[in-house]
Amino acid sequence: GAGVSQSPSNKVTEKGKDVELRCDPISGHTALYWYRQSLGQGLEFLIYFQGNSAPDKSGLPSDRFSAERTGGSVSTLTIQRTQQEDSAVYLCASSVGTSRYNEQFFGPGTRLTVL
Amino acid sequence: RKEVEQDPGPFNVPEGATVAFNCTYSNSASQSFFWYRQDCRKEPKLLMSVYSSGNEDGRFTAQLNRASQYISLLIRDSKLSDSATYLCAVDGSARQLTFGSGTQLTVLP
Repeated sequence: GAGVSQSPSNKVTEKGKDVELRCDPISGHTALYWYRQSLGQGLEFLIYFQGNSAPDKSGLPSDRFSAERTGGSVSTLTIQRTQQEDSAVYLCASSVGTSRYNEQFFGPGTRLTVL
Repeated sequence: RKEVEQDPGPFNVPEGATVAFNCTYSNSASQSFFWYRQDCRKEPKLLMSVYSSGNEDGRFTAQLNRASQYISLLIRDSKLSDSATYLCAVDGSARQLTFGSGTQLTVLP
């Protein structure tokens, strides 16, 4: 079956502009995660959605970052007034449930460059 | 101190060598441990879950040492195709994983 998909694959924007990144999780996966990975670094947790529950936003680095998940499926990560330090690869992952033993499947990521 | 730490490497080993990576974690309450493999400019993919008794999958062996709070990954008979970055991941709460920065492995012909 289809894996996690993300769009766009690459995004170049100017400082101060807003960007929207999209994630389509694997069908049937109730949990969705957003991470960010800067060059040569590990993955930084941003936000987590589980079903219809309130999202865990504890990893969002500032109030310029927000995310939605509509209908328990597709998610959009929005970054307002982008800064150069926002340049990174933004990875989305989904898993079948909330158990800590559930494997997370990652999408190919969106490479964001803020000029 | 970072919640999850790895030696960044790089580890450059000849084909056929055995190589081991360690990953230390700070949260003694952690219950789930994973090794992910990430190829250059690709997404991470799960390599192995790490069980308390240790587990083996072909040339790969994962071990957990709770007393010293580290997990290890052993790769035997290294192949060129094993060249990648290996990320460890540890659950910091019930729902999110904390990833290490990764260890870069290059297997040389």
